[in-house]
Amino acid sequence: AQSVAQPEDQVNVAEGNPLTVKCTYSVSGNPYLFWYVQYPNRGLQFLLKYITGDNLVKGSYGFEAEFNKSQTSFHLKKPSALVSDSALYFCAVRDMGGNTPLVFGKGTRLSVIA
Amino acid sequence: DTAVSQTPKYLVTQMGNDKSIKCEQNLGHDTMYWYKQDSKKFLKIMFSYNNKELIINETVPNRFSPKSPDKAHLNLHINSLELGDSAVYFCASSPPRGSYEQYFGPGTRLTVT
Repeated sequence: AQSVAQPEDQVNVAEGNPLTVKCTYSVSGNPYLFWYVQYPNRGLQFLLKYITGDNLVKGSYGFEAEFNKSQTSFHLKKPSALVSDSALYFCAVRDMGGNTPLVFGKGTRLSVIA
Repeated sequence: DTAVSQTPKYLVTQMGNDKSIKCEQNLGHDTMYWYKQDSKKFLKIMFSYNNKELIINETVPNRFSPKSPDKAHLNLHINSLELGDSAVYFCASSPPRGSYEQYFGPGTRLTVT
């Protein structure tokens, strides 16, 4: 069975500092990995994904994530946080083989303080 | 243009009633989904349709019945609403391959009193 762990419910960071939102996953085969962001009272917006190839993927709004197969992690990062980055962030995984659903982590609330 | 739209945005109803939520996507995607987000923001897949055919049906009570009249629409009908059905319901769509990201609608906040 697929699963995603986001170990932090909340991450606080000062504006201008680098941020990291952690994600680890478990799948039986190879993973497709995604990050989504949810602003208050809005739907989820796609940020970036890892499918294959380069382990460092770049996405929207200056975010990037690094796929680490040995640690089964896909942490979201940004070099310099903005107050407008404050939102709920979801990591999601799907097994590459078969018709399996996308499984989401429980979400991490990011708060960027001015 | 809204890519994935849902109506209504808010729905307040009493226990025992039957209600429907509509979803439409104009992205030309073959696959559509319904998700439930509970009060703790936990997001879980309910159903997935590909070209009007049901391909994923997670452990959802049979009071919930999705209907796909065409591949651009996936409606959710809920019978005999219960307090525990209160949540935000999101519709999403994507191309059929699992490597593609999903596009989410704005959500429907259902409150059962």
